[in-house]
Amino acid sequence: EVQLVESGGGLVQPGGSLRLSCATSGFTFSSYWMHWFRQAPGKGPVWLSRIYSDGTDTIYADSVKGRFTISRDNAKNTLYLQMDSLRADDTAVYYCVRGSYYHFDYWGQGTRVTVSS
Amino acid sequence: QSALTQPPSASGSPGQSVTISCTGTSSDVGGSNYVSWYQQHPGKAPKLIISEVNKRPSGVPDRFSGSKSGNTAYLTVSGLQAEDEADYYCCSYTGTYIWMFGGGTKLTVL
Repeated sequence: EVQLVESGGGLVQPGGSLRLSCATSGFTFSSYWMHWFRQAPGKGPVWLSRIYSDGTDTIYADSVKGRFTISRDNAKNTLYLQMDSLRADDTAVYYCVRGSYYHFDYWGQGTRVTVSS
Repeated sequence: QSALTQPPSASGSPGQSVTISCTGTSSDVGGSNYVSWYQQHPGKAPKLIISEVNKRPSGVPDRFSGSKSGNTAYLTVSGLQAEDEADYYCCSYTGTYIWMFGGGTKLTVL
């Protein structure tokens, strides 16, 4: 069974940092692109970032470019999202997602990030 | 880039059919075969129900179907059941490694 389990969310002050982790199991992690999404209350999911299966290429949405960094450790089957210079509008549930060009087939349960003073 | 446009709500009685639209542009929905649909129940993660415009992943009931015409994609739910009440989101790959979602449609089973 494919499982994606995010952790690391919480309350952080504006300008602060958080590192999200996503522990995976049930599939060959090193064979798949992985993504981070977020979803603000009452809104649709928003794609944030993608990393190649071998970690050699990353890309970001304009809203997080330069502030967030996606990475992975294929030996630990774990995906990461380093979030710096956090703002109030970064408040959302963050999802780790397995996916490709054509769909996103497995989603974690999400971890909540709240940016507030 | 703006989100894809979906109606905020849709409804139908058990057993009826409902179609939800997702309108984009020639740069996304109209120019892409990579349109997917997701179902999300309250407090849960999104679940893939349609891939590549009209393909159903294993385990998804055949009551769910997808189609596309021009810049608009459609999700049809036939034989509505109570458990179909959820939020539905469309998604399109836009090229250059950008994916866009719709604002979501809340489906109510009357």
